[in-house]
Amino acid sequence: QVQLQESGPGLVKPSQTLSLTCTVSGGSISSSNYYWSWIRQPAGKGLEWIGRIYTRGSTTYNPSLKSRITISADTSKNQFSLRLSSVTAADTAVYYCARLPMAGLHFDYWGQGTLVTVSS
Amino acid sequence: QSALTQPASVSGSPGQSSTISCAGTSSDVGGYNYVSWYQQHPGKAPKLLIYEVSNRPSGVSNRFSGSKSGNTASLTISGLQAEDEADYYCSSFTSSSTWVFGGGTKLTVL
Repeated sequence: QVQLQESGPGLVKPSQTLSLTCTVSGGSISSSNYYWSWIRQPAGKGLEWIGRIYTRGSTTYNPSLKSRITISADTSKNQFSLRLSSVTAADTAVYYCARLPMAGLHFDYWGQGTLVTVSS
Repeated sequence: QSALTQPASVSGSPGQSSTISCAGTSSDVGGYNYVSWYQQHPGKAPKLLIYEVSNRPSGVSNRFSGSKSGNTASLTISGLQAEDEADYYCSSFTSSSTWVFGGGTKLTVL
């Protein structure tokens, strides 16, 4: 059974960089069959896709966030990470990591989510 | 990219059926059979219900079914039960090789 777990600071100051890590167990992020993705959800609002990484060589980002996002992976630790720069209060949200099978292009396994608050 | 359009809320009585729509464009819902649906209970992570328009993952009740016509996808929940009360989200792959979600629908079981 694949499990994903987000980790990182719960509080980030405005204008700084938000950094989160997703640790995957029960499966390898190096698999050729999957993308790995970040999704966020502000309190009381809907889901927003942030981006995805294919550890064999590509990333795709939400155009509305593209200038501020970097998604990377550390295959030796079976982790992938999100960096979001120049954060504002609008970036306050629960951040989820999820697995994205290439066959079907859906989000089949999700982490429990981690709340990140942007505040001074 | 614009969010897919879902009704803010739907309701139904126990035992009845309820349908949630998800309207997109030819660049997302209408262009690909990569529409998926998720159920989210308060304080929990979303759970995959339907993928590729109408496929159910193992373990998901057959009371949940999906379909698509043109640029609009639909999720139908039959035999409504109290535990079906939750938020539901659709998602689609897009022509920009990105993903987009719907705004979410709150299902109330009366």
